[in-house]
Amino acid sequence: DIVMTQSPDSLAVSLGERATISCKSSQSVLYSSNNKNYLAWYQQKPGQPPKLLIYWASTRESGVPNRFSGSGSGTDFTLTISSLQAEDVAVYYCQQYYSTPQTFGPGTKVEIK
Amino acid sequence: QVQLVESGGGVVQPGRSLRLSCAASKFTFSSYGIHWVRQAPGKGLEWVAVISSDGNDEYYADSVKGRFTISRDNSKNTLYLQMTSLKTEDSAVYYCAKARGSETPAADYWGQGTLVTVSS
Repeated sequence: DIVMTQSPDSLAVSLGERATISCKSSQSVLYSSNNKNYLAWYQQKPGQPPKLLIYWASTRESGVPNRFSGSGSGTDFTLTISSLQAEDVAVYYCQQYYSTPQTFGPGTKVEIK
Repeated sequence: QVQLVESGGGVVQPGRSLRLSCAASKFTFSSYGIHWVRQAPGKGLEWVAVISSDGNDEYYADSVKGRFTISRDNSKNTLYLQMTSLKTEDSAVYYCAKARGSETPAADYWGQGTLVTVSS
């Protein structure tokens, strides 16, 4: 199974500042035949189901603000919130869908400083 | 707007069975794979299972393989999760989630979840 790790476990960022979350996979999730990274990012606010933010590691889902961006390839990925807003307080999860069982990272909690 | 509504959760004793349902609407259900994902209270997300759009392919997490069965009835726009030999560690909110597309398994729409509590 592919193990996903995230860092940090939590971070506090001032409003308008940048938040950066790291996600690493225990093996590459880059599929060579189509050069796509099988990685997604989700946002989960308290009491709500997760919301898809990013897929293919860097493709923003429709309706997601452009302050959210994903980058990386192979085994190392990053989710960046360029200018943190109050509504971005949530837990963020990465997920690989390269192979089954699909696996999530443990989550990173983002708070306002 | 895509809708997914889970039902069937509740309190059940260890070793017993439970069947969850997920009623889908406002999209072409038979064209998309669907996932079950669970979340124990205060914990992270755990992928449970996925079924292909036609129901012919199923995949499971190791933790539920042999105990849980995912299925679907495309004529009723409904997904199921049959859970047997339940353990206390199966206690969680269970979400059904639609795959974004046949080539994009990421889950783009999620239900609100149904709570399963396994306790004696």
